[in-house]
Amino acid sequence: KAGVTQTPRYLIKTRGQQVTLSCSPISGHRSVSWYQQTPGQGLQFLFEYFSETQRNKGNFPGRFSGRQFSNSRSEMNVSTLELGDSALYLCASRSGTGAYEQYFGPGTRLTVT
Amino acid sequence: AQKVTQAQTEISVVEKEDVTLDCVYETRDTTYYLFWYKQPPSGELVFLIRRNSFDEQNEISGRYSWNFQKSTSSFNFTITASQVVDSAVYFCALTYDKVIFGPGTSLSVIP
Repeated sequence: KAGVTQTPRYLIKTRGQQVTLSCSPISGHRSVSWYQQTPGQGLQFLFEYFSETQRNKGNFPGRFSGRQFSNSRSEMNVSTLELGDSALYLCASRSGTGAYEQYFGPGTRLTVT
Repeated sequence: AQKVTQAQTEISVVEKEDVTLDCVYETRDTTYYLFWYKQPPSGELVFLIRRNSFDEQNEISGRYSWNFQKSTSSFNFTITASQVVDSAVYFCALTYDKVIFGPGTSLSVIP
């Protein structure tokens, strides 16, 4: 079974621009979560989608948004980029919610200049 | 409030030593799940183990073992006879609805 894939792997953007990151979950997994990882803040939960509906949302500004498609693929969008948005963005999928373990993708390294 | 604490920020051990990574959690839920994940230098988090709140049995998997103590809200992870390949950041996580990760413990195993 193929793992979680994320594209692109690396991205460099300028302040004020917007960016869209993509995540393809493991086949059969209906839940996709997004995390931001930085050295200072660690792993922070952004949001989780299950069957195209946002189930949970972390404490991030409205500039961060996401969506999930009927094939469970998910995209995350960040508008009006700030320098502080530079981070590793991780996507994780699982077959259900609650008890199920998550399987992570390799991440997208976003650098905002 | 739900919270996961990993008090050890960084640990260095010499190869073949045993090492224990501590995890303390807070939750008001009676049903919850605890996880450990490993993040090697390559960056991809790898699932290691899941434990539900009703199962306090310790678990051993090869050189890895986990000690879950509900009375002290702890879910500690021990690596026996550590190896260089164990060098990574280890995260403890709690899920009730959202998944809450601890800050991680960076383990360096020196040859």
